Amino acid sequence: DAGVTQSPTHLIKTRGQHVTLRCSPISGHKSVSWYQQVLGQGPQFIFQYYEKEERGRGNFPDRFSARQFPNYSSELNVNALLLGDSALYLCASSFRYAGQGQETQYFGPGTRLLVL
Amino acid sequence: AQSVAQPEDQVNVAEGNPLTVKCTYSVSGNPYLFWYVQYPNRGLQFLLKYITGDNLVKGSYGFEAEFNKSQTSFHLKKPSALVSDSALYFCAVRDRPGAGSYQLTFGKGTKLSVIP
Repeated sequence: DAGVTQSPTHLIKTRGQHVTLRCSPISGHKSVSWYQQVLGQGPQFIFQYYEKEERGRGNFPDRFSARQFPNYSSELNVNALLLGDSALYLCASSFRYAGQGQETQYFGPGTRLLVL
Repeated sequence: AQSVAQPEDQVNVAEGNPLTVKCTYSVSGNPYLFWYVQYPNRGLQFLLKYITGDNLVKGSYGFEAEFNKSQTSFHLKKPSALVSDSALYFCAVRDRPGAGSYQLTFGKGTKLSVIP
């Protein structure tokens, strides 16, 4: 079975631009979460979606938004890019709502975003 | 707020020797604990998790972890290290539902180098 897939793998943008990152969860998984991993740090939670509804949001500005589609795939949008947005963006999926605690989240390979 | 500490930025071990990667956590209730591994330019790969029950959890690739409630620790172990185990290891915690945040909180990561 295919794992979590993300596109694109790499992206270069300039400050002020907008970016859209895409994620397809493992087949049958209904929950998708997004994380930002800055070089040298652990992943930081951005959003969680379950059954197309936002179920949680981390401490990120409103420039970050996301949505989940009927097929459970997801998009992460970042507006007005800053240099500090350069990071590896990870998508993770789980079968049920990860807020139930014990659900294991399975991660994709990530999209590496460089903002110049 | 929940938090995770990985006190060692780097751990070096000789091939064939036992390895330990340390993790301590802080939550308001009883935790769900996870270990993930990240290879260069890859996403996070799930190794094992502690939910409840036996304090010794066995996971993928011969790894195991010991949950110690009194010391609030969840150290990752392997009896005999392989060169291919060299990677970045992340400990993560999620609080029990209703006890606070449902999101995964990661440590900063520990780089494991297994020396031939």
